Amino acid sequence: LAKTTQPISMDSYEGQEVNITCSHNNIATNDYITWYQQFPSQGPRFIIQGYKTKVTNEVASLFIPADRKSSTLSLPRVSLSDTAVYYCLVGEAYNTDKLIFGTGTRLQVFP
Amino acid sequence: ETGVTQSPTHLIKTRGQQVTLRCSSQSGHNTVSWYQQALGQGPQFIFQYYREEENGRGNFPPRFSGLQFPNYSSELNVNALELDDSALYLCASSSGPQAEAFFGQGTRLTVV
Repeated sequence: LAKTTQPISMDSYEGQEVNITCSHNNIATNDYITWYQQFPSQGPRFIIQGYKTKVTNEVASLFIPADRKSSTLSLPRVSLSDTAVYYCLVGEAYNTDKLIFGTGTRLQVFP
Repeated sequence: ETGVTQSPTHLIKTRGQQVTLRCSSQSGHNTVSWYQQALGQGPQFIFQYYREEENGRGNFPPRFSGLQFPNYSSELNVNALELDDSALYLCASSSGPQAEAFFGQGTRLTVV
């Protein structure tokens, strides 16, 4: 399974756009890129998943360049409630029998 | 709310004791996965149950064991507790081993 590298932490202010980049140099042909969000003392929550180019949903956008060796989670106009840890995972589409979480990126949003 | 419920929410045990954690899966889900999350770390996969059979296991010793019942709820048992077992234990249910997982809020276990 491909290893991922993310920044340990990021700070932002309310209303700003936040971009969190994940590096996954050894991504395999069949691998998808999935992002989860986790609030303190809660389980992770699926945010978005993609294979290539761009995916957008009501919460976020995911940008994946042609070589797929990295990806960027974009959160538009963050609010205080977006303060959380964000995990980038690489593997089969859902892969629930072997979700491999790294240490994630701790996003702190300030007023 | 994901519909996945775990009990208890918090638990304190003494080193050497045994503990059982419980998880009720979301309606219609037949697969339950368990994760251990130490403070400041990402969740680590323990094992998965699919239709009452173990369907994959992570790098955890045999004193971590599990069970899935006919209604697809599940238990995680840990014997001979060690201080390093202190963690948030998460349960995730899905409609199959390769379907989106929905996590519960976890059980915070403290071993003293």
